Amino acid sequence: DQQVKQNSPSLSVQEGRISILNCDYTNSMFDYFLWYKKYPAEGPTFLISISSIKDKNEDGRFTVFLNKSAKHLSLHIVPSQPGDSAVYFCAACTHTGNQFYFGTGTSLTVIP
Amino acid sequence: DVKVTQSSRYLVKRTGEKVFLECVQDMDHENMFWYRQDPGLGLRLIYFSYDVKMKEKGDIPEGYSVSREKKERFSLILESASTNQTSMYLCASSTNYEQYFGPGTRLTVT
Repeated sequence: DQQVKQNSPSLSVQEGRISILNCDYTNSMFDYFLWYKKYPAEGPTFLISISSIKDKNEDGRFTVFLNKSAKHLSLHIVPSQPGDSAVYFCAACTHTGNQFYFGTGTSLTVIP
Repeated sequence: DVKVTQSSRYLVKRTGEKVFLECVQDMDHENMFWYRQDPGLGLRLIYFSYDVKMKEKGDIPEGYSVSREKKERFSLILESASTNQTSMYLCASSTNYEQYFGPGTRLTVT
């Protein structure tokens, strides 16, 4: 059973606009949440993370929001750039930090 | 800079062959992982290891085995490759909450 879900397989956004990628989870024991970006034929690269004790973390154009009561997190990219076009994976882990659960990914296309 | 390397970027093997995928990390990380990535299924954990000679099954260990004889090296073994093991294989290492991935090996079994 999928413990981390990304229900939108794809998303298209105009350059300069905001991209919002969503992720839902079922396990209330998850302690830490991460977003990864993946280009074709490359491994995922870490983008941004958030601890369960926070509700927001910001890094430049990227912001992650966590709503623990709804078991939902989102990644906001603003402004979106063509180079942001990639597959984005949401992941979660418990306090042990030695097992990660990934969503199925959302393919983002930023249109110039 | 953390570096995770995988022995091959592309590999073509025949059904029934034994396949070894090697992964090496240079940051002295305790934890290492093997995933496969398939369209629509995301990253699925095959095995992970939290120490030398230790291994734990992930979500889809059937048809795979692993070996970790040295801290920096984690090998994935397909004892008898089958066509349904055609996939992108990703190795990762971590020391806390953040995983670092290798470039992946695209394995095709014919």
